[in-house]
Amino acid sequence: EAGVVQSPRYKIIEKKQPVAFWCNPISGHNTLYWYRQNLGQGPELLIRYENEEAVDDSQLPKDRFSAERLKGVDSTLKIQPAELGDSAVYLCASSYMGTDLYNEQFFGPGTRLTVL
Amino acid sequence: ILNVEQSPQSLHVQEGDSTNFTCSFPSSNFYALHWYRWETAKSPEALFVMTLNGDEKKKGRISATLNTKEGYSYLYIKGSQPEDSATYLCASRGGVMDSSYKLIFGSGTRLLVRP
Repeated sequence: EAGVVQSPRYKIIEKKQPVAFWCNPISGHNTLYWYRQNLGQGPELLIRYENEEAVDDSQLPKDRFSAERLKGVDSTLKIQPAELGDSAVYLCASSYMGTDLYNEQFFGPGTRLTVL
Repeated sequence: ILNVEQSPQSLHVQEGDSTNFTCSFPSSNFYALHWYRWETAKSPEALFVMTLNGDEKKKGRISATLNTKEGYSYLYIKGSQPEDSATYLCASRGGVMDSSYKLIFGSGTRLLVRP
């Protein structure tokens, strides 16, 4: 079974440019998460989707970040415009919110963003 | 403790050494504690999910213990190998109904095992 797929794996852009990250979760997983990991810190949740609905976007900086999950499968996270402080690893994870009490989250390899 | 804290930040050991790391987490409203291994350029891989006080889990040479009353977990690696080199992350989940899905991560322990 394929794991969580993310692209691109690496992205270098200049500040004020837009950037987008794509995630394809594990087949059948209804919950999708975007995390950001800043250098020297642990991953922090940006947004969580249950199917197509964003049920927790309280940590998403809405002035420049947006996300969508059309048809409840793939998701795209966008930053426009990017700032120097957005340099980080962006992780996507998915889980099945069902009978599994612990809703184990499975992670993709991340996209490493560098803003110059 | 309000955050999840891990120590040490980094660790360099020789092949064959045994090692251990600590994860401290809020003991109130505890639901579960997750350990992940994250190798460079790969996806974080789930090692253990631990829920009960006194729980011990083992996977090959790696084992973990959990103390929910005092809010800590230890991860042990016996006879470290170069392929164990990775960042080890722990994440705590609280028990409040609407946030029990939320993982709060520590900053990780970066392990380097020298041949």
